Amino acid sequence: QVQLVESGGGVVQPGRSLRLSCAASGFTLSNYGMHWVRQAPGKGLEWVATLWYDGTNKYNEDSVKGRFTISRDNSQNTLFLQMSSLRVDDTGVYYCATNKMGTPGYYFDYWGRGTLVTVTS
Amino acid sequence: DIQMTQSPSSVSASVGDRVTITCRASQGISGSLAWFQQKPGKAPKLLIFEASSLQSGVPSRFSGSGSGTDFTLTIGSLQPEDFATYFCQQVNSFPLTFGGGTKVETK
Repeated sequence: QVQLVESGGGVVQPGRSLRLSCAASGFTLSNYGMHWVRQAPGKGLEWVATLWYDGTNKYNEDSVKGRFTISRDNSQNTLFLQMSSLRVDDTGVYYCATNKMGTPGYYFDYWGRGTLVTVTS
Repeated sequence: DIQMTQSPSSVSASVGDRVTITCRASQGISGSLAWFQQKPGKAPKLLIFEASSLQSGVPSRFSGSGSGTDFTLTIGSLQPEDFATYFCQQVNSFPLTFGGGTKVETK
């Protein structure tokens, strides 16, 4: 069955970098659009980035543009989020999610359990 | 950016109650709306897509309606496992945006 496992979170100082991974199993990542969503402690959900299934289109939330890059490695069936120039307000749980297949639009159907990123001095 | 406003922010209800949550978009989004359920420490779960389509495996007591700017999620008869926080999300255009959430609590 579809499984997504995030990793790479941790405690990091402001201005530093971190790379998150999302290992996919049960399906071929390159056939799906994929998303990153984050959630600050005790807060709501915030969409972060999208990579379209064919890799041609990427979208980022404004506050992470120029700092975060979404990508994938098809040979590893893994999605990444490269985060640089981290800020305190980037703190939160980061989830990866699949784009629902067979339905027009950007519906997030399978989610991983998330990985916690804490940015603090 | 399209702002999504959910109301109420919390609701107290009992098992068996009918619960209605509202989501309003700052501009028309046709039917491009999703609803999620999230329990503490867990990932969100897709309940409804395209405003009114039930995701596979989701109980039929959940239903969605609306189009344009006003949307509703209804839980027909609240069950113990339904106490959670619910979020709407517009998927009409980037940036994809979520509502602030509605916490369904025990009365």
